[in-house]
Amino acid sequence: DAGVIQSPRHEVTEMGQEVTLRCKPISGHDYLFWYRQTMMRGLELLIYFNNNVPIDDSGMPEDRFSAKMPNASFSTLKIQPSEPRDSAVYFCASSLIATEAFFGQGTRLTVV
Amino acid sequence: KQEVTQIPAALSVPEGENLVLNCSFTDSAIYNLQWFRQDPGKGLTSLLLIQSSQREQTSGRLNASLDKSSGRSTLYIAASQPGDSATYLCAERGSARQLTFGSGTQLTVLP
Repeated sequence: DAGVIQSPRHEVTEMGQEVTLRCKPISGHDYLFWYRQTMMRGLELLIYFNNNVPIDDSGMPEDRFSAKMPNASFSTLKIQPSEPRDSAVYFCASSLIATEAFFGQGTRLTVV
Repeated sequence: KQEVTQIPAALSVPEGENLVLNCSFTDSAIYNLQWFRQDPGKGLTSLLLIQSSQREQTSGRLNASLDKSSGRSTLYIAASQPGDSATYLCAERGSARQLTFGSGTQLTVLP
């Protein structure tokens, strides 16, 4: 397996624009996590899914953020409209319940 | 709400030293605990996973322990090398199955 795949690796966008981050989990994994990492706040859990169903989205900072998992092999995190304070590295991770969580390489988002 | 704490925030040691990184957690119903390594500008690499029923796991020069009763885990690195320099993060898989991270320990091994 190629591991958790995230795209794009880097995204630079203007304030107010819509941003969509994508994640392909490891095949067979039934948990998918979205995290945001900043120097100030470290790694923050935004939302996680089990069997494509959102379990806890209490970490989503605002209504501008939304996440979907239409099937077991794909998830998106959308920010609309984007703001400069959304600039961060966004990570996706997947796992089975009792196994290691594996992370993607992240998407570095810059909102100018 | 689960909380995970890592102390110290930064550590600098000379090459060859054995060292211990600490992680404490509040969830008594822990499912498992995982240690990661993160190099600057990179993603997270899994190092060790300890299930709640286990006391320790070993991989090469790394040994991780878990004490549920005290809410603590340690990562022991033997004979440290400059290539071990990175940020080390622990993450608890809690009763609700989410993965909660500590803020990490930034390790520098001096040649």
